[in-house]
Amino acid sequence: AQSVTQLDSQVPVFEEAPVELRCNYSSSVSVYLFWYVQYPNQGLQLLLKYLSGSTLVKGINGFEAEFNKSQTSFHLRKPSVHISDTAEYFCAVLSRGATNKLIFGTGTLLAVQP
Amino acid sequence: GAGVSQSPSNKVTEKGKDVELRCDPISGHTALYWYRQSLGQGLEFLIYFQGNSAPDKSGLPSDRFSAERTGGSVSTLTIQRTQQEDSAVYLCASSATGGAGYGYTFGSGTRLTVV
Repeated sequence: AQSVTQLDSQVPVFEEAPVELRCNYSSSVSVYLFWYVQYPNQGLQLLLKYLSGSTLVKGINGFEAEFNKSQTSFHLRKPSVHISDTAEYFCAVLSRGATNKLIFGTGTLLAVQP
Repeated sequence: GAGVSQSPSNKVTEKGKDVELRCDPISGHTALYWYRQSLGQGLEFLIYFQGNSAPDKSGLPSDRFSAERTGGSVSTLTIQRTQQEDSAVYLCASSATGGAGYGYTFGSGTRLTVV
C-alpha cells in the first residue's frame, strides 16, 4: 500500500528566508509525486509534479522539489518566501499502474511572518 | 465550465438528517473524485468514478455514505443519518481521461457542519 508522511504539521519562517517542507512516501512500485497548495478557504491547487525524467522539478510561485528515490523523499523548497506563501501544503503520491487515486499526506502549514 | 464547481459551499444540518452534496466537474473530464478533509487529518479518499466503469468505493467510511454520477458528468455525494463526526470539508476533483498523472483540479469544497 502507498502512504505519504509529512512530519512537520507547521513550519514558521520569516519573510525572505528559505524554506523546506518535507515529504516521504512509501510504495512498492514506482510513483508519481505531487505537491498541492491550499490557501485559506480555497480548494487545492497543483504546485508541481514529478512524473519522470529530471528529478528536480520546478513549479509555480518559485517553488521546486527534488525526487530522491533512494530516500523515498520529495521535499519542497523555496529560496525566499513571501507573506503570500502562507498556506497549507500537501504532498501526494500515485502508484503507477495500480490506481488513479492520489494518496495525500496530512499537510504542512507554512506560516510566513514579517 | 472553467473549473470544478461544488454546491452548497456551506451546509449546516441537524444530526440524523440526510444531506446531498453536488459536484460539477470540468467539461470533458472523465474521472471524478471525492475526498474528505477533516481538521488535522489531511485528505481522505472517499470514492472515484472513471467513465462508465464501476466506481471505486473503497474509501467510503460507512454504508451511510453513497455517491452517484449521472451521465458521466455531475456527481452527488449523499450522507444519510448524519453524525457529528461527519463534519468536515468535502472536496471534489476531476481529471482528464482518468490520468491522475496530469493532476487533479479541485473544487472549493462544501463545508459540512452537523449539529
